[in-house]
Amino acid sequence: GQQLNQSPQSMFIQEGEDVSMNCTSSSIFNTWLWYKQDPGEGPVLLIALYKAGELTSNGRLTAQFGITRKDSFLNISASIPSDVGIYFCAGRGSGGSNYKLTFGKGTLLTVNP
Amino acid sequence: SQTIHQWPATLVQPVGSPLSLECTVEGTSNPNLYWYRQAAGRGLQLLFYSVGIGQISSEVPQNLSASRPQDRQFILSSKKLLLSDSGFYLCAWSARTSRFSYEQYFGPGTRLTVT
Repeated sequence: GQQLNQSPQSMFIQEGEDVSMNCTSSSIFNTWLWYKQDPGEGPVLLIALYKAGELTSNGRLTAQFGITRKDSFLNISASIPSDVGIYFCAGRGSGGSNYKLTFGKGTLLTVNP
Repeated sequence: SQTIHQWPATLVQPVGSPLSLECTVEGTSNPNLYWYRQAAGRGLQLLFYSVGIGQISSEVPQNLSASRPQDRQFILSSKKLLLSDSGFYLCAWSARTSRFSYEQYFGPGTRLTVT
């Protein structure tokens, strides 16, 4: 089946630093989504990308749909303590089900005040 | 706006006991519905999804089952719980027919501990 490799698995940064994480696939994806999960809660959709090369921002968050359609990046600028959580990438591959997403294993972000 | 509810929020059950988790969605019609399990705070495992009343697709063979008795209600059940069923159960929905039907929206989750 389709798999997503998400890296890094975890990050420890200081407040104010910028953060970058990525997701790669061996096959082409048509849709990329980025979620954030706070401890003990359900994931929240941050950004959705539907077109190769697309760059979309949501506040301090910026995500890009890679030109090759096999990767996506999420950047967080000027991190703050509430950015702590697990960030998941998800996507729908070419030829994949109209109903199912493939999820990465997540990046655990810790922000030190 | 759409909202998704799950209950209970937490549950502690003995091995061998039955299980029933409920999920309801408000503010939308004909949603696709999903059950996921998350172990140890990482990786989301898709258990079941449904594209309509009475239509259930199972992703992982196990002692769990799902039912969709109403358009916006999704139930996860088990006749006899195992220790390995412990985890964080998440319900999600997506629009049935829309350009954005791949966007899934998650509920608050149910923390299940089997003792």
